[in-house]
Amino acid sequence: SQTIHQWPATLVQPVGSPLSLECTVEGTSNPNLYWYRQAAGRGLQLLFYSVGIGQISSEVPQNLSASRPQDRQFILSSKKLLLSDSGFYLCAWSVTGGTEAFFGQGTRLTVV
Amino acid sequence: AQSVTQPDIHITVSEGASLELRCNYSYGATPYLFWYVQSPGQGLQLLLKYFSGDTLVQGIKGFEAEFKRSQSSFNLRKPSVHWSDAAEYFCAVGEAYSGAGSYQLTFGKGTKLSVIP
Repeated sequence: SQTIHQWPATLVQPVGSPLSLECTVEGTSNPNLYWYRQAAGRGLQLLFYSVGIGQISSEVPQNLSASRPQDRQFILSSKKLLLSDSGFYLCAWSVTGGTEAFFGQGTRLTVV
Repeated sequence: AQSVTQPDIHITVSEGASLELRCNYSYGATPYLFWYVQSPGQGLQLLLKYFSGDTLVQGIKGFEAEFKRSQSSFNLRKPSVHWSDAAEYFCAVGEAYSGAGSYQLTFGKGTKLSVIP
């Protein structure tokens, strides 16, 4: 069966520090991968999606970037965090051509 | 562009009472519609989905939802709420990326459900 792993679960980082959140999927090949951010009272915002290795599309211009170095690995990064980057970050995957997304457990990021 | 509106930010119901969470969408074609549930500090779990066919869909945990094209709605219902249903519920609409073989989910802002014992 397919599983999705996301870590760390909780992260506190100072303003201006770098960020790296990792997401891996097991049990499937060539998944579509997604990064969402959930801010309080604002629902889920799609940040990035990827349909293959090295293929990243950004939905919202911001202080973050994403990379997909391997088929089942999706990384969310920042060179310098801002206070406004605080939030709950969710990784998700779907099969190619599929509409149902499967979510990781999320990372709570607090920028101080 | 597609959009999803969940008009109720927070709903409180008594255990055993019936529940209806509202969802309205804006989308030009026949939408793919979803309801997800999120427990505090956790990811999202799919409750049910509508692609086509029967407009009343059954999901997990005793939930159901009805697609009404004339009202652009996809309301979630449960006849008798349990205390463990307390969570946040998200409605979403799916749209295919042109030629990309993938779909974008647009989520509503969520409805937080509290259950009184």
